[in-house]
Amino acid sequence: NAGVTQTPKFQVLKTGQSMTLQCAQDMNHEYMSWYRQDPGMGLRLIHYSVGAGITDQGEVPNGYNVSRSTTEDFPLRLLSAAPSQTSVYFCASRTPGARETQYFGPGTRLLVL
Amino acid sequence: GQQLNQSPQSMFIQEGEDVSMNCTSSSIFNTWLWYKQDPGEGPVLLIALYKAGELTSNGRLTAQFGITRKDSFLNISASIPSDVGIYFCAGSGAGSYQLTFGKGTKLSVIP
Repeated sequence: NAGVTQTPKFQVLKTGQSMTLQCAQDMNHEYMSWYRQDPGMGLRLIHYSVGAGITDQGEVPNGYNVSRSTTEDFPLRLLSAAPSQTSVYFCASRTPGARETQYFGPGTRLLVL
Repeated sequence: GQQLNQSPQSMFIQEGEDVSMNCTSSSIFNTWLWYKQDPGEGPVLLIALYKAGELTSNGRLTAQFGITRKDSFLNISASIPSDVGIYFCAGSGAGSYQLTFGKGTKLSVIP
C-alpha cells in the first residue's frame, strides 16, 4: 500500500494562474480531506468528502474547488492563484466509525508569486 | 465549533528527559489521535485512542484518553534527538465528519 500520495511536491505559480493538486489513496477510505498548514495557524480544513460524489466546505474554502468522482482520488483546484494561497497543502484519508483513523499525504508546497 | 487547546506550544528538553503534553477540548470526543510531524513531512499517526480512560503505548510514547472525554495526554519517555518535531492532537465527537486539530507542540531535544 502506498497510503496517501500527493503530487506535485513543490510548485511555484504566478498570481492568477490555475492548477490542480492531486491526491490519491489506496486504502479504500470513504472520507478524504484537504488541509492547509501555515506558520502559527495549525492545520485548517479546506474541503472534505464523505464519499464519491459528495463534497463539502471546511473552514477556509474560498478560492478552492474539489470534486470526488472516485473513492481513490480527491483533487484540489486553485482557480486563480493568489499570494495568500502560498502554503503547504496536505491531503488526508480517513476511516470513520468506532475505531477511526486518519492518514496524511506527504504534502505539496506551493508558492504563489 | 469545537476547539482544542494544546499545551505547551513549545518545549526544550535535555536528551534523556521525559516529556508530557496535553490537549483539552471544549466538548466531548469519542476519538483522540496523536501525530508527529517532522520538518518538511506530513503528519504521521502515532497513537489512536477510542475509550475514556484508555492508555496506549507505542514504544517510548504513551497516550491516555481522559476520563472526562475532554482531554488527552501524550508522554514521551527518555527522549532522544529524533523525537524532535511537532506533535499534534486531534479528536472527533459523535457524528462528526471532521477532525479538530490542536495547534501543535514543538519539541526540541538538546543533546
